[in-house]
Amino acid sequence: EVQLLESGGGLVQPGGSLRLSCAASGFSFSNYAMSWVRQAPGKGLEWVSEISGSGESAYYADSVKGRFTISRDNSKNTLYLQMNSLRTEDTAVYYCAYGRYYAGSHDHWGQGTLVTVSS
Amino acid sequence: DIQMTQSPSSLSASVGDRVTITCRARQGISNSLAWYQQKPGKAPKLLLYGASRLESGVPSRFSGSGSGTDYTLTISSLQPEDFATYYCQQYYTTPYTFGQGTKLEIK
Repeated sequence: EVQLLESGGGLVQPGGSLRLSCAASGFSFSNYAMSWVRQAPGKGLEWVSEISGSGESAYYADSVKGRFTISRDNSKNTLYLQMNSLRTEDTAVYYCAYGRYYAGSHDHWGQGTLVTVSS
Repeated sequence: DIQMTQSPSSLSASVGDRVTITCRARQGISNSLAWYQQKPGKAPKLLLYGASRLESGVPSRFSGSGSGTDYTLTISSLQPEDFATYYCQQYYTTPYTFGQGTKLEIK
């Protein structure tokens, strides 16, 4: 059974940093691109970033480019999102997700972790 | 970025109704279109990918169609468990982009 378990969310002040983790199990982690998708309270879904299976390629939304870094450790089956220079508008539930069929078509999602940026 | 325009933003319907949600891309996306269902407090659930391919385990009352820039999600006969928010998403190119969502409510 595929499982994606996010952790690392919490309350952080504007300008602060946080690192999210997503522990994966039940599939060949290194074979699949992984994404982070977020959802601000009461708002819609926003794709944040994607990393290739090997970790060699990464892509970002303009809203986080230069502030967030996606990475993965295939030996630990874990995906990361390092978030720096956090802003109040980064407040959201962050989901990790992947797609078996196509990289951007996400058929498996974690339960999400809440990041709150507030003073 | 490819903007996705989804309509309507909200919809009231009754059990047994047939409903259609549309999604328009600002440019052609070659059927690289997914539909998701999301219930409050839960992660999104993939319903269809490739515009019309039903995800395993999803009831056949859900169907998708379209090509080029225009796509539709149809629910043939609404069931009580279908009342939720629906999103389209293009994965033709990064940044992947979502429609703004359609909240389907009970009439």
